[in-house]
Formats: sequence, structure tokens, C-alpha cells
Amino acid sequence: GQQLNQSPQSMFIQEGEDVSMNCTSSSIFNTWLWYKQDPGEGPVLLIALYKAGELTSNGRLTAQFGITRKDSFLNISASIPSDVGIYFCAGLNTGTASKLTFGTGTRLQVTL
Amino acid sequence: DAGVTQSPTHLIKTRGQQVTLRCSPISGHKSVSWYQQVLGQGPQFIFQYYEKEERGRGNFPDRFSARQFPNYSSELNVNALLLGDSALYLCASSLGRNNQPQHFGDGTRLSIL
Repeated sequence: GQQLNQSPQSMFIQEGEDVSMNCTSSSIFNTWLWYKQDPGEGPVLLIALYKAGELTSNGRLTAQFGITRKDSFLNISASIPSDVGIYFCAGLNTGTASKLTFGTGTRLQVTL
Repeated sequence: DAGVTQSPTHLIKTRGQQVTLRCSPISGHKSVSWYQQVLGQGPQFIFQYYEKEERGRGNFPDRFSARQFPNYSSELNVNALLLGDSALYLCASSLGRNNQPQHFGDGTRLSIL
């Protein structure tokens, strides 16, 4: 099945550093979502974006809906050890079904 | 408030068997979707049900089927299990049918021997 391209695939950072990751698609989406998944758990919704160009924050997390509607970006400021996990973007279009198309994931590891 | 709950958490089956996975959505949510997540990949859409009707189906064979009950809970059935069906099966619920953020349960880990 289709998966969106996320980069970087993985990253090691030090505690306190800022993190940036992005997600690109060959097709347009009306909604972009960012999820975090910890081992043995389901994805947890972090941020939802509904309009092209929209910039939304949730604590230390900030995400943007790209103006082309084919990409989205997630930034994490002042990373802490509990930020470790896999971050997935997901695109959603209105229509007959509410089908999320997920990215390939970015694995974040934070060192002290 | 309880989130999306799934049962069982783990399951081991052999090839050719059949399996039923269960999901209870967040209270008030009428839409339930099922996803398959193979190790190392993002989840792949299998089905969406809204108001007890199938509203969408992903690229999965007819061995996969699902239904939604009047209380909005849902079951996913997989027949004639193959080794490749080994995965984490995730259920997500949302308030409405379209353009609503989906909230996931912790999944059922299915292993096929």
C-alpha cells in the first residue's frame, strides 16, 4: 500500500536539542496528522492540521501544513528523554471513507 | 475516560486458522477503522465502519472482513491465516465519518506459526 515519505528515517539527538522532521506526498491531502508510537503501544495523536499553511503548536511541538498540501513538518523544541519513539505523519482526505495514509516513520532517540 | 480498547492483546495462531479481533471505541465515537501494521512500517488501512455500515476498504483480500455492532464496537475477522498476516492490528475510532482525527487503541499482536 501507499506510504508517505518521511525524513529523516532515524535520528540521535542530545537532550535539550531541537528536532525537525518532514513528510512528503505525491498527492494532496485535506488534513495532516502527526502521531507518536511507543513500543508495544498504539499511535497517539499529537497534532491535527486542517488548512494549507496552518501552523499549530502543542506544548513543545509545532507542526505546519505545507502550502502545496503535499507536505507537512514537525518540530520538537528542547527535546527530553520521553520524546523517544517513532513519529508518524498521516494524510487524510474527505470522501466516502476516512482513510489515513501513514508515512514511513521517523525514529527519534534522545541521549542524555 | 476510557480510550479505544482492543482484545486480545496478543494472539498466536497457525496457518489456515481463523481469528476474530475485537474493538470498543471511545464513548460517543461512531466510526471505527482497522489498520494492519507490519514490523518496521506505518499502519495500512483495512476497513472503516460508520453507523454499522462499511464506508471504506483498503487493498486487502476477501479473507479479511469486519462488522460493527449497534453499540459501535467492532470485530475484525481474518480467515485462512497466512504467515504474512503476522502483524499488529490497530483499531481507531473517531466522532464522525470524515475528516475527524482518529484515536488508536494499543492493538492486537497476531503471530502466525
